[in-house]
Amino acid sequence: GAVVSQHPSRVICKSGTSVKIECRSLDFQATTMFWYRQFPKQSLMLMATSNEGSKATYEQGVEKDKFLINHASLTLSTLTVTSAHPEDSSFYICSASIQTSDYEQYFGPGTRLTVT
Amino acid sequence: GNSVTQMEGPVTLSEEAFLTINCTYTATGYPSLFWYVQYPGEGLQLLLKATKADDKGSNKGFEATYRKETTSFHLEKGSVQVSDSAVYFCALSDFGKLSFGAGTTVTVRA
Repeated sequence: GAVVSQHPSRVICKSGTSVKIECRSLDFQATTMFWYRQFPKQSLMLMATSNEGSKATYEQGVEKDKFLINHASLTLSTLTVTSAHPEDSSFYICSASIQTSDYEQYFGPGTRLTVT
Repeated sequence: GNSVTQMEGPVTLSEEAFLTINCTYTATGYPSLFWYVQYPGEGLQLLLKATKADDKGSNKGFEATYRKETTSFHLEKGSVQVSDSAVYFCALSDFGKLSFGAGTTVTVRA
């Protein structure tokens, strides 16, 4: 149980275009979803936290107009990288949480974004 | 604020060797503690967790004990296998928000 999927797994786009990444909880309803960014050989950096039906909460230094997050249902959150640039190339990972006593997060497999 | 410090890698071991990865944390409250593992080309998987002081998390031969007095959650395995080669992340959860350590790359040679 507690499976989280991401789509696409890899995407290559041209500079200036926008890319949408989907995150789905397949067998449970997620009260909260998180988006992380992972640079090569580095740890995960939390970008934003989103709850279904409300605006995402962005971490300091993350541009909310560039990284648009929509959490339309309890099983789907999307991250749109707008006007992508090569420096946005990274591994983007989502996670989903059920609001239990220990707030455990279940991670998706990640999306490798390459901006050319 | 909350933070996690874990042993820097990379760590290279022979099969059946003993593995320890140190992890210490700083937190204002009483967080839950986790170890996540990331195998090559895959996403993070929860390896084990502990939700209160003196709890021991264990899975797949790995163990870690929540030590409040030393603010530590060191990961151990008595006999590693080649299949344990991965990146290991220590993390703490404060009301659902995870803070990760930098990750430790472990390579086990046959």
